[in-house]
Amino acid sequence: GENVEQHPSTLSVQEGDSAVIKCTYSDSASNYFPWYKQELGKRPQLIIDIRSNVGEKKDQRIAVTLNKTAKHFSLHITETQPEDSAVYFCAASITRGGNEKLTFGTGTRLTIIP
Amino acid sequence: SAVISQKPSRDICQRGTSLTIQCQVDSQVTMMFWYRQQPGQSLTLIATANQGSEATYESGFVIDKFPISRPNLTFSTLTVSNMSPEDSSIYLCSGGASGNTIYFGEGSWLTVV
Repeated sequence: GENVEQHPSTLSVQEGDSAVIKCTYSDSASNYFPWYKQELGKRPQLIIDIRSNVGEKKDQRIAVTLNKTAKHFSLHITETQPEDSAVYFCAASITRGGNEKLTFGTGTRLTIIP
Repeated sequence: SAVISQKPSRDICQRGTSLTIQCQVDSQVTMMFWYRQQPGQSLTLIATANQGSEATYESGFVIDKFPISRPNLTFSTLTVSNMSPEDSSIYLCSGGASGNTIYFGEGSWLTVV
């Protein structure tokens, strides 16, 4: 089955700096790659996603890049703010008969230092 | 975005008992899944809830321990059977439509004592 690896497990950056989180996946058939943010005591919330027919996607301070050949994708957060502090999870899915189950990475705890 | 509601939101249960978690989704959702998130860990898929038929379980999860029902398109239940302290986790219902975003319910925070 699919295996998703995520690095780093923890990341601390100064407020205003950029943060980058990287994930690799094993199954070349994966075609959907979302990123979720989970604040303490809350559910995971989708922040951005990308499909395999696109190499990059941006939404304000957040961007995701995808390299299908290398089977890796990354989350980039620019101009970080204290409210960006959370655990971030990458995920990958394969569409099989309309059953797009997600396999998650191990998570990155991001801390923004004021 | 899809609306996914779960209950109970939180419970403390005695060892050896069972608890059923309910999940209600809005009509945009065609796929439903149940995840477990152990303390400080990532999300692990328990099973895909199939409408009107037996759920599809992932490796390491069995129907006797985690029976799942999905009697119609918008409702599913997960039962955690014969609980032990190791079952203390967040259980998350999720859903979406094929080709679209997968959303999560608020989670059911379960503590087994």
